[in-house]
Amino acid sequence: ELKVEQNPLFLSMQEGKNYTIYCNYSTTSDRLYWYRQDPGKSLESLFVLLSNGAVKQEGRLMASLDTKARLSTLHITAAVHDLSATYFCAVPVTSGTYKYIFGTGTRLKVLA
Amino acid sequence: DAGITQSPRYKITETGRQVTLMCHQTWSHSYMFWYRQDLGHGLRLIYYSAAADITDKGEVPDGYVVSRSKTENFPLTLESATRSQTSVYFCASSNDLGQPQHFGDGTRLSIL
Repeated sequence: ELKVEQNPLFLSMQEGKNYTIYCNYSTTSDRLYWYRQDPGKSLESLFVLLSNGAVKQEGRLMASLDTKARLSTLHITAAVHDLSATYFCAVPVTSGTYKYIFGTGTRLKVLA
Repeated sequence: DAGITQSPRYKITETGRQVTLMCHQTWSHSYMFWYRQDLGHGLRLIYYSAAADITDKGEVPDGYVVSRSKTENFPLTLESATRSQTSVYFCASSNDLGQPQHFGDGTRLSIL
C-alpha cells in the first residue's frame, strides 16, 4: 500500500529565510505533483515532476524529484508572507495510473 | 465560463438522507475525480473516472455512488448520509498523465 509522508506537518518561518519541505513515498513512481491550498480555498497546481532528477522552479519555489530515493523536495527561497498556505504532494499509486495518493500536507506560515 | 464547477457550495442535511453533489467541467477532460478533505487526513480519493461510463473506486468509496453518463459531468451521491461523511468534497479533472489535476471550489457538506 502506497504511503505518502510529508514533513514537517507545520512550519512557521520568518520572512527572508529558506526552508525545504519533504515528500517521501513508499512505492516506485516516476511522477509527482505539488499543489498549494490557501485557507478555505481549492487546490492549485504548482509543479508536475515527470522523471528522476526533474527540477522545476517558479518564483521562490523550486521542486525536485529523486525517484530512486522516493523523495521530492519543495524548497522555499527567501520566504514572503504570500507563500503562507498548505502544500501537498501527490503520487500515483502505480505507474501509468490516475489513482493518486496525497500527502497530509505541510502548513506553512511565513511571519512578517 | 470554462472550468470546473461544483454545486452546491454548502449543504446541510440530516443522517439517512440522500444527497447528490454535482461536478461539471467544460474542458472535455477524460479523467475526473472526487476527493474528501478532512483535518488530519489530507485529501482522500473516493472515486475516479477515466471516461464516460468508466468509474473505479478510490481509497474511501464506501457509502458513495458515482455515475458518468456524459464526459462533462461526474455527480457524487451519498445514498444514506452519515455524520462521518461530514467533510469538504472536491471534484477534479485532468486530461493527461503529464498534466496536473484541476480542482473545483469544493462543497462543504455538514450532516447533522
